[in-house]
Amino acid sequence: AQSVSQHNHHVILSEAASLELGCNYSYGGTVNLFWYVQYPGQHLQLLLKYFSGDPLVKGIKGFEAEFIKSKFSFNLRKPSVQWSDTAEYFCAVLPSGTYKYIFGTGTRLKVLA
Amino acid sequence: ETGVTQTPRHLVMGMTNKKSLKCEQHLGHNAMYWYKQSAKKPLELMFVYNFKEQTENNSVPSRFSPECPNSSHLFLHLHTLQPEDSALYLCASSQVGGRANEQYFGPGTRLTVT
Repeated sequence: AQSVSQHNHHVILSEAASLELGCNYSYGGTVNLFWYVQYPGQHLQLLLKYFSGDPLVKGIKGFEAEFIKSKFSFNLRKPSVQWSDTAEYFCAVLPSGTYKYIFGTGTRLKVLA
Repeated sequence: ETGVTQTPRHLVMGMTNKKSLKCEQHLGHNAMYWYKQSAKKPLELMFVYNFKEQTENNSVPSRFSPECPNSSHLFLHLHTLQPEDSALYLCASSQVGGRANEQYFGPGTRLTVT
């Protein structure tokens, strides 16, 4: 079955630390990839997405993600986190030609001021 | 504000009640989704409607009954729920076709079944 794995369930960082959240998926075909963020008390919103072209994708608020096809990975990075990045982050995969998005379990990030 | 609204935002219901969740999207999208979000679990896709036709039903118990009267509105009718159905129910919409497009989510309905 198709699935998305996010290995870090809880991450705690100090401000200015670098962030990398892992995301791996199991699907052999072409995919489109997404990272969503859910700030406390708010709705899920898109951080960035990949559908073709440059595998290094830049999103909002200084986030970026790199698609490594050979590793079936789409890790999220930010060089220097801020307290306001405290949120839950979800990786999602959309197999091409479908509209059935598959989500990971989420990673809860807490940034200490 | 994402252009997807959900009502009510909070709902407490007994196991014998009947209630409905409502979702409306103002984005002109042609697909709408219901998800269940529980702690420590992936977002669970429940139902998908594409151009008002239900195309996905992920083995959801019959006590959940979706309705999509048009491409802008989506309902989830609830009856004789169980305590384990307590969760955040999220509605989303997207534009199907062409490039892959992201989903836009509503704020969710926090459901508590007593």
